[in-house]
Amino acid sequence: EIVMTQSPATLSVSPGERATLSCRASQSISSNLAWYQQSPGQAPRLLIYGASTRAASVPARFSGGGSGTDFTLTINSLQSEDFAVYYCQQYNDWPPWTFGQGTRVEIK
Amino acid sequence: QVQLQESGPGLVKPSETVSLTCTVSADHDDSITNYYWSWIRQPPGRGLEWIGFVFYKGSTIYNPSLESRVTMSIDTSKSHFSLRLNSVTAADTAVYYCARGGYLDWRSPLSYWGQGILVTVSS
Repeated sequence: EIVMTQSPATLSVSPGERATLSCRASQSISSNLAWYQQSPGQAPRLLIYGASTRAASVPARFSGGGSGTDFTLTINSLQSEDFAVYYCQQYNDWPPWTFGQGTRVEIK
Repeated sequence: QVQLQESGPGLVKPSETVSLTCTVSADHDDSITNYYWSWIRQPPGRGLEWIGFVFYKGSTIYNPSLESRVTMSIDTSKSHFSLRLNSVTAADTAVYYCARGGYLDWRSPLSYWGQGILVTVSS
């Protein structure tokens, strides 16, 4: 099973600033990585797939990068609606597909 | 536009079986056919766990940690797919989500999600 490790667990950021989230896979997953945003009480929402491709209707302030085992999600100029929990997920190898434990982005 | 809606019991007794259904609403060109359909769960206050997926033709892949207790099925004529989890315990208490995967490609992200249904296991 591929283990996905996200860091940090919590990120405190002021509105308008940049947030950088990390995700590491225990073995290479090529670019088969997705990022999801989960706001309180809501289902996860796909943000990024293929490590760097924004899903439909996702604002350009969200960007993803990396390949192999190390990935990042960058959120530029944080808006109020961006304060949420973010999960990475590998879909390169199954079973099972696996998620990271999540990074909570909170208001500083 | 694609919409998914989970349905099923909110409360199940320990050792029983929980059965959930996900109904898919989509434009004709974006129907249940040709896609992979997943179930994912999230215990209260915790992270996401992928349970497995079912292809529109009925083939399935399950998380090994749950494989002995899970059965998934699909009914394309009714545009829905289902999850059965037997011998439940309190550890199975979670919000259960259904989601759509790739078009003829299992190696794809989960692009559409249902709103989730909370299943509580308690006597």
